[in-house]
Amino acid sequence: QVQLQESGPGLVKPSQTLSLTCTVSGGSINSGGYYWSWIRQHPEKGLEWIGYIYYSGRIYYNPSLKSRLTISVGTSENQFSLKLTSVTTADTAVYYCARDGVGRDGNNFYFDYWGQGILVTVSS
Amino acid sequence: DIQMTQSPSSVSASVGDRVTITCRASQSIGNWLAWYQQKPGKAPKLLISAASNLQSGVPSRFSGSGSGRYFTLSISNLQPEDFATYYCQQANAFRGITFGQGTRLEIK
Repeated sequence: QVQLQESGPGLVKPSQTLSLTCTVSGGSINSGGYYWSWIRQHPEKGLEWIGYIYYSGRIYYNPSLKSRLTISVGTSENQFSLKLTSVTTADTAVYYCARDGVGRDGNNFYFDYWGQGILVTVSS
Repeated sequence: DIQMTQSPSSVSASVGDRVTITCRASQSIGNWLAWYQQKPGKAPKLLISAASNLQSGVPSRFSGSGSGRYFTLSISNLQPEDFATYYCQQANAFRGITFGQGTRLEIK
């Protein structure tokens, strides 16, 4: 059974960098075949896809966040990370990591496994 | 990006009822559509992929249909555990993965 778990600071100051890690258990990112994404949900609002990474390093970002965003595979084979620079209060959200286990082609994404989510608040 | 618009924003229904939720895309997306169920404090759960493919373990009272710009999620014989918020999602990354604003299904 695949499990994902987000970790990182729950409070970030404006203009600083938000850094999160997703740890995957029950499967290996480096075995290939799956794409790994970050998705966020603003308080009481809808969902926003942030971007994805494949174990080979192939990445694709939401154009609205691209200039501030870095997604990378972690030093551990079962981790990938998110860095979002120059944050504002508009970046306050629950951040999820998720796996596309259905499309699996790098074109169409259906997220079948999700982490529990981590609330990140941007505030001074 | 393709805009996904769900209707209604909220709906009240009773146990045993049938409910239909609609999702409209701002342009044609073929069948690149998913439906998710989200309960308070939990991550979304994938119900349907490619517009009509029911995921393993999802009860057969859930069904999806549509293609192009118009899609529906139907839930028949509503059960207490079905009361949640439902989201549609445009699945193609190069067109911009986007979600609908959600439909809240409440107990009448």
